[in-house]
Amino acid sequence: SQQGEEDPQALSIQEGENATMNCSYKTSINNLQWYRQNSGRGLVHLILIRSNEREKHSGRLRVTLDTSKKSSSLLITASRAADTASYFCATGGLNSSGSARQLTFGSGTQLTVLP
Amino acid sequence: ETGVTQTPRHLVMGMTNKKSLKCEQHLGHNAMYWYKQSAKKPLELMFVYSLEERVENNSVPSRFSPECPNSSHLFLHLHTLQPEDSALYLCASSQDYRGHGREKLFFGSGTQLSVL
Repeated sequence: SQQGEEDPQALSIQEGENATMNCSYKTSINNLQWYRQNSGRGLVHLILIRSNEREKHSGRLRVTLDTSKKSSSLLITASRAADTASYFCATGGLNSSGSARQLTFGSGTQLTVLP
Repeated sequence: ETGVTQTPRHLVMGMTNKKSLKCEQHLGHNAMYWYKQSAKKPLELMFVYSLEERVENNSVPSRFSPECPNSSHLFLHLHTLQPEDSALYLCASSQDYRGHGREKLFFGSGTQLSVL
């Protein structure tokens, strides 16, 4: 099964509101990354948080990581219509057998910000 | 622009055709990747090249053949594809390759492939 799973699958909010997306994973990680993808385009790296970090900020983005719950959240504050996109978490580390695991992406959360 | 350019942006091909996807990165990176993105599915890593050597091949069918002539260019040669191969094919690069998913990836805009 996939390593990272985002929740919710789709989220629709009004401009100005905050958007929170969650990511859960199964095996140990050394870092967790969030990417954004506009429709039909490539992914753009947003932020990387290491396994020994609990929170990280970048502009209007705030990422938290709880390794005990194997989960992360991405908060976008004061959302804008231009934030409409799919958001993916990706994890790297080891798989269940202890061997190196490549960066593994979830299925994403589709965020729609209504003007 | 991320510094990673993919061509063509769209490609329609029959199952008996042979075509190639091209990726070029202008970032001075040492590693390049091919990913497949199908509707409603997570991104699937296909191949990884580090310093022009293939370091990952994730059980990809032989009808997909990668080529990395230098650290700036990556190709994906396609032949006798199936309709289920229709997807967005994304190229990415990273400064280096160390495994364990530590790298920050820079993606191109992708090639939307339709196999008829």
